[in-house]
Amino acid sequence: DSGVTQTPKHLITATGQRVTLRCSPRSGDLSVYWYQQSLDQGLQFLIQYYNGEERAKGNILERFSAQQFPDLHSELNLSSLELGDSALYFCASSARTGEYDGYTFGSGTRLTVV
Amino acid sequence: ILNVEQSPQSLHVQEGDSTNFTCSFPSSNFYALHWYRWETAKSPEALFVMTLNGDEKKKGRISATLNTKEGYSYLYIKGSQPEDSATYLCALGSGGGADGLTFGKGTHLIIQP
Repeated sequence: DSGVTQTPKHLITATGQRVTLRCSPRSGDLSVYWYQQSLDQGLQFLIQYYNGEERAKGNILERFSAQQFPDLHSELNLSSLELGDSALYFCASSARTGEYDGYTFGSGTRLTVV
Repeated sequence: ILNVEQSPQSLHVQEGDSTNFTCSFPSSNFYALHWYRWETAKSPEALFVMTLNGDEKKKGRISATLNTKEGYSYLYIKGSQPEDSATYLCALGSGGGADGLTFGKGTHLIIQP
């Protein structure tokens, strides 16, 4: 157990639907990152939150949004889902902003859009 | 768009042999270079974070070097064991850390007994 908890582990939903992925960072970590891994792609950075504030944004679609709550857990909301959104979504956390700290990854949420 | 390249894409190594693989990245705007090990059905695990040109880090039989001027890092595994079988990812931190990490696609290492 890495200390980063992601729920659910698996999710199957239909096109057009909306889902929420949840992440609890390792105790004491202030930064949360969301990454997407699609077939044959490397981990693609979506967004980072640090202590409740958005800090960095990557290739996140407008249909996707995220937030980090006062207790530091984070949620990634995916709406108007398309088949191409099927992927493994990872959450990771680090103590600070991550450039100098290794990330601790959760076990991922596998999203299948049918 | 940053391009982080890893080679080879996959590698078969005999148990007991030593091996190494490469991560190449644009040297401009460098901030940090991370290495992760990703075993099947598990989550990526941090191995090293390197920031200085010439940095060398070691953890057991695994070590890494960094050349920021020419834009590459090597990961070495000495005396490979079956438990070393995994995908090894490198990731570049740049832009003062304001851009997240850019990951390569990884080197898939298989250790053959």
